Amino acid sequence: RKEVEQDPGPFNVPEGATVAFNCTYSNSASQSFFWYRQDCRKEPKLLMSVYSSGNEDGRFTAQLNRASQYISLLIRDSKLSDSATYLCVVNEKSGGYQKVTFGTGTKLQVIP
Amino acid sequence: EAGVTQSPTHLIKTRGQQATLRCSPISGHTSVYWYQQALGLGLQFLLWYDEGEERNRGNFPPRFSGRQFPNYSSELNVNALELEDSALYLCASYRDDVYNEQFFGPGTRLTVL
Repeated sequence: RKEVEQDPGPFNVPEGATVAFNCTYSNSASQSFFWYRQDCRKEPKLLMSVYSSGNEDGRFTAQLNRASQYISLLIRDSKLSDSATYLCVVNEKSGGYQKVTFGTGTKLQVIP
Repeated sequence: EAGVTQSPTHLIKTRGQQATLRCSPISGHTSVYWYQQALGLGLQFLLWYDEGEERNRGNFPPRFSGRQFPNYSSELNVNALELEDSALYLCASYRDDVYNEQFFGPGTRLTVL
């Protein structure tokens, strides 16, 4: 089983739609979780951190379910500019040890 | 606050040559991560440097190496280049705090001919 798994997509959705991505992780000791956005041939950019209580930033909502070991990202009212690849990131940290694992990404295409 | 910088933007080499890639982290960040992203693939962890020391490395052969300087900037060296080393090499700056977030530079696109 991969350490971090994402549905690669692509998810093709019309403008205005709501779309949700899930990401599962295998290590229950993982502590920090993030969603990054990567545009074609560009570097990943931090979209939002994911907190246990869930967090929202405008049209974006992130949730963490530790019991089932998955995180989710919900995008409401999709815009054309939301088209990108969304990367799930899981961070394990213990003392001086740290491991950051990226998912392979879910591609979103918002259609006019 | 200046972001993460990487140089060069593009690098073209031939098989067997050596490549040196550079990264400067955000001021105040002491950790640098290096990743390889081949075309159409996900990010593969290469190396992690913190406070001048290599803390961890991914599943890459020893010809991938690097170092971190006293000012926390970093170099990635790839020796004996192979065609499959062609990729986008990304550097991420990280500050060890409660947020544990990484911030990426624009990357160096390495092409091996």
